[in-house]
This record gives sequence, structure tokens and C-alpha cells, in this order.
Amino acid sequence: DQQVKQNSPSLSVQEGRISILNCDYTNSMFDYFLWYKKYPAEGPTFLISISSIKDKNEDGRFTVFLNKSAKHLSLHIVPSQPGDSAVYFCAASARTSYDKVIFGPGTSLSVIP
Amino acid sequence: DVKVTQSSRYLVKRTGEKVFLECVQDMDHENMFWYRQDPGLGLRLIYFSYDVKMKEKGDIPEGYSVSREKKERFSLILESASTNQTSMYLCASSLSTPLGEQYFGPGTRLTVT
Repeated sequence: DQQVKQNSPSLSVQEGRISILNCDYTNSMFDYFLWYKKYPAEGPTFLISISSIKDKNEDGRFTVFLNKSAKHLSLHIVPSQPGDSAVYFCAASARTSYDKVIFGPGTSLSVIP
Repeated sequence: DVKVTQSSRYLVKRTGEKVFLECVQDMDHENMFWYRQDPGLGLRLIYFSYDVKMKEKGDIPEGYSVSREKKERFSLILESASTNQTSMYLCASSLSTPLGEQYFGPGTRLTVT
């Protein structure tokens, strides 16, 4: 049973528009959430994170929103660029074992020029 | 610049062979991880290590073992490779601080025939 879910395997967005990637989790012990980005033939790279004490964290074009009551988070990319085309993994960890991170299955984003 | 290297990008082995995957990091990180990435399943943790000669089982350790004799090197061993171990294997490292992001290597695509 997956503790971190990304129900959309893929997403296509026009260049310049907003990309919204969604993630749901089941474990209420999770209190730290991360997004990683992965290009083909490369390892994932850290993108942005959010602690459960916040409901929003922003870094340039990337914003992560956290809704603890719904156990849901989302990554917004505005404006989307062709170089954003990649697989995005949502990940979560718990205070009791921060080093152990649980990853979702990933969403493949295609930004169309 | 942060660097995690993996010994091979592509590897083809026969069923029953013993397989060694090597990972080296140059960041003096305490923590090292081995994941496998499969379509629709995301990254699943096989083993991780907090320190030299220390190891902890992840979510899917069956059929694998690990070795960490030096801080910078973490090896994944498939004792007797099977076709269901065909996958992308990713190594990562992180500092042993709460909320430390993980740095990934480029991955090894292993095919077992």
C-alpha cells in the first residue's frame, strides 16, 4: 500500500501556463515533504520542500502548497518552461525517521512549446 | 560541487550471477542509500547506512545485501541475480541532520537475463 500517491502518471501543459502536480499521503506521521525532479538518464535532484508547520513555500517559479487536513500537497510551476519537462517525485518523511524518505510513483510533466 | 558516482550506467547480467553495484560520494556525508526505480512504483528504498559498517533494511531488502567499509563508498550486492531484479538502481547520500536533502547518482540500469 503506497503511503505517498501521485495519481496522475503524466501531465501536458502549454509553455507559459501553470503546471499543477498533485500528491496525496496516507501516513499522518509525515511532517516534512519534498519534491524531486528527474531528467532521463540522470538521478533525481531536490527541488523544494515544506514542513508541516507551514502551508506554503515558494522558491522562484516553484510553489508548494500543503493541506494537512486533506493530507494533500501540490507543486505549482509558473510560468512553465520546456526545460521543466521531467518526472516529478513527491516524497515525505516523519519526525521519527527523517533520514528515511518515502517517494511517490512520479508524474511525468511535458511542457509544450 | 556535490558528486555521487555509480560504477556503471548500464549492466547486463545472467540469472544466478553475483552482482556488485558501487557508489561513491565526495561530500563527506554520513548517510547513504540504495533505491530501485520501477515504472508506476517510484523509488523504493532497499538499504541505507548511517555510518561506516552500519546498515539498515529499507522497504524491499530481500535478495540484496550491502557493504559500507569506508564512509564514501556504499556497495549493493545481488547475491544471486534474478529477472525480477531488472531495474534502475539509484544511490544517494545525505548529511545526518534533520531534513537533509538527498543527493543522487545518475543510476545504473541493470538487466538480468
